[in-house]
Amino acid sequence: EAGVTQSPTHLIKTRGQQATLRCSPISGHTSVYWYQQALGLGLQFLLWYDEGEERNRGNFPPRFSGRQFPNYSSELNVNALELEDSALYLCASGRRRNEQFFGPGTRLTVL
Amino acid sequence: GENVEQHPSTLSVQEGDSAVIKCTYSDSASNYFPWYKQELGKRPQLIIDIRSNVGEKKDQRIAVTLNKTAKHFSLHITETQPEDSAVYFCAASRSNNAGNMLTFGGGTRLMVKP
Repeated sequence: EAGVTQSPTHLIKTRGQQATLRCSPISGHTSVYWYQQALGLGLQFLLWYDEGEERNRGNFPPRFSGRQFPNYSSELNVNALELEDSALYLCASGRRRNEQFFGPGTRLTVL
Repeated sequence: GENVEQHPSTLSVQEGDSAVIKCTYSDSASNYFPWYKQELGKRPQLIIDIRSNVGEKKDQRIAVTLNKTAKHFSLHITETQPEDSAVYFCAASRSNNAGNMLTFGGGTRLMVKP
């Protein structure tokens, strides 16, 4: 069974630009969760998508958004990038109330 | 919202010794408690989890215990090996059909000395 995949591995942007990160869940999983892992910090919940809809979001500003496609893959968009957005962005997939399995992450660097 | 605290932040043990990492949570409605292991530069890997209807769960050298009354849960690793060296994260959530958003502790860096 293929695991969760994410692309790109690394992304370098400048302040004010937009970043798009992608996630493909494990086959059969309908939920995608996005988390931010800033350097030296734990993981912070960002967004949850299930069955094509945004179901919940964490304590992040609206410039963090995304969507989920009919094949359950997901995209995270970060607009008006700020220096403090530099972090590892992890997605995890699962089935609603069950275990979550993480992808390898996208390292976003904002210069 | 939920708040999870994790201790210690760093833990150094000798190979073969046991390691214990403790977490406390604030939301009494939380019912799902996973533990993840993250090696340097790699993804968090689910190593064990427990739901609120059980008090203890074991899987070979690792075990998790849960005290719902005190709102704390712990990870126990016995006979530690150098490959156990990693950062361990605990998490808690209200797992139901409305989702399973995890709130993580701050992590414990475990170093196992050969």
